[in-house]
Amino acid sequence: EVRLLQSGGGWVQPGGSLRLSCVASGLSFSKFPMSWVRQAPGKGLEWVSGLSGSGQTIYYADSVKGRFTISRDNSRNTLYLQLNSLRTEDTGVYFCANDPLFDPTGKNAFEFWGQGTMVTVSS
Amino acid sequence: DIQMTQSPSTMSASVGDRVTITCRASHDINNYLAWFQQKPGKVPKRLIYTTSILQSGVPSRFRGSGSGTEFTLTISGLQPEDFATYYCLQHSLDPYTFGQGTKLEIK
Repeated sequence: EVRLLQSGGGWVQPGGSLRLSCVASGLSFSKFPMSWVRQAPGKGLEWVSGLSGSGQTIYYADSVKGRFTISRDNSRNTLYLQLNSLRTEDTGVYFCANDPLFDPTGKNAFEFWGQGTMVTVSS
Repeated sequence: DIQMTQSPSTMSASVGDRVTITCRASHDINNYLAWFQQKPGKVPKRLIYTTSILQSGVPSRFRGSGSGTEFTLTISGLQPEDFATYYCLQHSLDPYTFGQGTKLEIK
């Protein structure tokens, strides 16, 4: 059974930083591209960032480019999202999920999700 | 960026009804379209991937179809547990983009 267990998040003032983690089990983690998706309170889903299994290919939504950094440690089966220069509009629940990068079948498109972690940016 | 226009934003229906939700892409997305169901406070659940492939364990009353830039999710014979919010997602090109969501309410 695939499980993605998230941690991190919390409350931070505008301009502050946080780091989110997502620990995977039940899959060959290094073979799976991963993504982060977020959801502002009462709003829809927004894709944030993704990276390949090796971590060599990385991409971001324009809304977070230059402020957020995605990374992974395959030896620890862990995905990270470093959130810097946080803004009030970054408030929301952040989810990790598997990403369909390099998958021509689409089968790996967001099949597995973490439980979500809340990030609150407020003064 | 590819824009995904999902409609309707809300809809009301009764148990047993058939409903259709539509997503239109601003460019051809090569059928890289998935559908998700989300209930309040819960994690999104994938229903359909690559336009029409039913996720394992999802009831057959859910059906995805379409091609190019127009896609639909049809739910036949609505059940009480189907009242939720539904999202489409294109993953043909980054940035991946979700539709705005369709909230399906009980009439």
